[in-house]
Amino acid sequence: NAGVMQNPRHLVRRRGQEARLRCSPMKGHSHVYWYRQLPEEGLKFMVYLQKENIIDESGMPKERFSAEFPKEGPSILRIQQVVRGDSAAYFCASSPSLQTGELFFGEGSRLTVL
Amino acid sequence: GQQVMQIPQYQHVQEGEDFTTYCNSSTTLSNIQWYKQRPGGHPVFLIQLVKSGEVKKQKRLTFQFGEAKKNSSLHITATQTTDVGTYFCAGQGNQGGKLIFGQGTELSVKP
Repeated sequence: NAGVMQNPRHLVRRRGQEARLRCSPMKGHSHVYWYRQLPEEGLKFMVYLQKENIIDESGMPKERFSAEFPKEGPSILRIQQVVRGDSAAYFCASSPSLQTGELFFGEGSRLTVL
Repeated sequence: GQQVMQIPQYQHVQEGEDFTTYCNSSTTLSNIQWYKQRPGGHPVFLIQLVKSGEVKKQKRLTFQFGEAKKNSSLHITATQTTDVGTYFCAGQGNQGGKLIFGQGTELSVKP
């Protein structure tokens, strides 16, 4: 039973480029969460999605960031026109239902902006 | 908005010593969870506390949820080098709401 799969594990982008991070939740899980972790810092909530629906995006920056979780395929976190401050580890987690118990985290995608 | 504060930020102990990290929420929580993240790794779920005043134990780890459901603690007895990592508390304000993480406590254990 595969866990939460994130790719790419490492991504390098130059300023102004786009970054796309993918997350496939655990089998049977319909809820996905994205968190950002800066070096030596905690996990900052970004967005919480259900299939084809954004439930809570209160942690998402107003510009350049977007997330989706389509009916088919992985959840995608998209960062347009990246800046150096976007360099961080982006973790995806999934849960089976709205009543969150344990969150299952992926290995993370580490974005470096040059 | 809901905030979860965690102290201390760092704790260095000698192997065999005890360790405690504390978590406080600005609002009443429906539940609190604890996670451990090893260096370079991803957060791994340890436990969830739901009831006021709840205490749960996992071997050398003891988790408490305050009576007011606004604070929590994790205590490790007789630390081992395998306990090294960052311990995060995470609070949920409402059932089904987002999980807000504390800043974490990084534990290092000197053999």
